[in-house]
Amino acid sequence: AQSVTQPDIHITVSEGASLELRCNYSYGATPYLFWYVQSPGQGLQLLLKYFSGDTLVQGIKGFEAEFKRSQSSFNLRKPSVHWSDAAEYFCAVGLSGGYQKVTFGTGTKLQVIP
Amino acid sequence: ETGVTQSPTHLIKTRGQQVTLRCSSQSGHNTVSWYQQALGQGPQFIFQYYREEENGRGNFPPRFSGLQFPNYSSELNVNALELDDSALYLCASNTRGETEAFFGQGTRLTVV
Repeated sequence: AQSVTQPDIHITVSEGASLELRCNYSYGATPYLFWYVQSPGQGLQLLLKYFSGDTLVQGIKGFEAEFKRSQSSFNLRKPSVHWSDAAEYFCAVGLSGGYQKVTFGTGTKLQVIP
Repeated sequence: ETGVTQSPTHLIKTRGQQVTLRCSSQSGHNTVSWYQQALGQGPQFIFQYYREEENGRGNFPPRFSGLQFPNYSSELNVNALELDDSALYLCASNTRGETEAFFGQGTRLTVV
C-alpha cells in the first residue's frame, strides 16, 4: 500500500528566507506525486504535481519540488518565503492512471515570522 | 466555470444520528472523491464515484455511503454517527483519467 511521510509537523521560517519541506513516499511503482496547500478553514489547493519526465517540477506561487527516486523523496522548496505562505502543506501520492485514491501525508504547518 | 461547492459549511449532530453532506462537482467533471480530514491530520480517502457507481473505497465502514447523480453531483451519507466522525469532509472532482482534482472548501461536521 502506498504511504507518505512528512517528518516535520511544524516549521518556522523568517520572511525572505528559503524553505524546504520534506516528503518521503512508499509505493511499488512510479507514483504520481502532489503538493497541496491548505489555509485555515479552506479546502486544498494544488501547488504542483509530478508524473514523469523532468524531476524538477515548477508550481504556482514560486514553489518547486524535486523528485528523487533513489531517496523516495519529493521535497518542496521556495527560495524566498512570503508572509502569505503561512499555511499547512500536504504531500500526497496517487495511483497511476489518473486521479485515484490519493494518499496524503499528515501535513507540515508553516509559520512565517517577520 | 464554477468550482467545487459543498454544503453545508458547518453542522452539528448528535451521536447516533445520520447526516448527509452534498457536493456539486466542477463543470465538466464526471468523477467525485470524498475525504475525511480529522483535526491535525491529512485527508483520508473515503471513496470515489464515477458515472454514479462507487469506483474505489478507502478503509471506512459501510455506514459511510455515497451517491452520485446524473449531473455528477454527489452525496456522502454517514449513519449512526460516532464522536470520532467529527472532521472536515472534503469533496474533490475531476475528469476521469485526468491527474488533477479540484477540492471544495469542505463541510465541518461536529458530533456531540
